[in-house]
Amino acid sequence: QTVVTQEPSFSVSPGGTVTLTCGLSSGSVSFSHYPSWYQQTPGQAPRTLIYSTNTRSSGVPDRFSGSILGNQAALTITGAQGDDESDYYCVLYIGSGISLFGGGTKLTVL
Amino acid sequence: EVQLVESGGGLVQPGGSLRLSCVVSGFTFSSYAMSWVRQAPGKGLEWVSGISVSGGSTYYVDSVKGRFTISRDNSKNTLYLQMNSLRAEDTAVYYCAKKVTTTSSNFDYWGQGTLVTVSS
Repeated sequence: QTVVTQEPSFSVSPGGTVTLTCGLSSGSVSFSHYPSWYQQTPGQAPRTLIYSTNTRSSGVPDRFSGSILGNQAALTITGAQGDDESDYYCVLYIGSGISLFGGGTKLTVL
Repeated sequence: EVQLVESGGGLVQPGGSLRLSCVVSGFTFSSYAMSWVRQAPGKGLEWVSGISVSGGSTYYVDSVKGRFTISRDNSKNTLYLQMNSLRAEDTAVYYCAKKVTTTSSNFDYWGQGTLVTVSS
């Protein structure tokens, strides 16, 4: 059973930088998994931040960036702001038409 | 402007059926793969089903195989999810999501979701 792993929670100070990661239980994450990142606040639909590893979605500030770090996908937020406090989900395409979400990271800004 | 608008959710008894629809606009629907993603109350996102550009290939998470059917009508810019033999664990907000390109990609646009509640 393949699992996508994310930190359950993370904390960052206002103005600080945080890197959230997205791993794969069966091995390394690569560009061919098309790692993508979504931000979600309670009661709202997910908002796309990054798709295909490092492409920023329309209207997303450049404080958000995506990359591959080692064997994981990563979302880096620089200059953290209060309204960045949200749940963040990554998703990986694992083949055969199947995408798999991580369990999400709850980010606190304080 | 890209828009995805889901409908068809509601309250249904265990064992019942529902058909969800997602009407899209703002892009050439027939050129993109599509998916349904759900979120149970207080839980994370779960990919449920996907469909290729032509509709000729469909994909499902194991827990819904044999019960759910995804389809599309490219002439109506509409994606569907037929849900049969519904269970309490299918209770969730169901989102329609556009893939970046083909099936081998992930999601760039989302609808606002439609709530499905399975309860007696």
